[in-house]
Amino acid sequence: DQQVKQNSPSLSVQEGRISILNCDYTNSMFDYFLWYKKYPAEGPTFLISISSIKDKNEDGRFTVFLNKSAKHLSLHIVPSQPGDSAVYFCAARGSGGSNYKLTFGKGTLLTVNP
Amino acid sequence: NAGVMQNPRHLVRRRGQEARLRCSPMKGHSHVYWYRQLPEEGLKFMVYLQKENIIDESGMPKERFSAEFPKEGPSILRIQQVVRGDSAAYFCASSPNAGAGAGTDTQYFGPGTRLTVL
Repeated sequence: DQQVKQNSPSLSVQEGRISILNCDYTNSMFDYFLWYKKYPAEGPTFLISISSIKDKNEDGRFTVFLNKSAKHLSLHIVPSQPGDSAVYFCAARGSGGSNYKLTFGKGTLLTVNP
Repeated sequence: NAGVMQNPRHLVRRRGQEARLRCSPMKGHSHVYWYRQLPEEGLKFMVYLQKENIIDESGMPKERFSAEFPKEGPSILRIQQVVRGDSAAYFCASSPNAGAGAGTDTQYFGPGTRLTVL
């Protein structure tokens, strides 16, 4: 039972263009969403997050959008750079007493071509 | 400030042996989380510990798996009598406060231990 889904295993974009990574969730109890970036042989690194009370959060080249009614979020990277090539994980946090427990999607491999 | 340290980075065991995975949290962090990533899957929560206490082990198999975070020393994830299905990457994360948000409860991950069971 996958509560966080990243339906695109991979995405390839040209340097300078926009990268859009998508994520869907099924559990309406999730109250906080995060994106992690992972390079090979390293652990995931926190990138950006959004609370369920907001619909947009921006940090430099990275913007996360949340559509609660559709249970959908997306990460936009613009402009994309070759160094952005990595696996991106969408994660969701439970509310209340289990707010330390992250539920991850399977990840999307982003390749930015020079 | 060193990040989360995990060792060994790679561990090979034969079926039936024991695997011990170590995690040293970031300095000042007293909350440790273990996650497992099976091939082609996302990371899955296993256990959450504070110093000398297991807070939530709901994601950890009841048999053969145990975890500890002693007063002194690293957190240990122990897998007894390993089977092929235990082959995975095991990630440890730590945070200064309990949670999984973007402030003082941000979870910082180590590089992982890749366990291969022959």
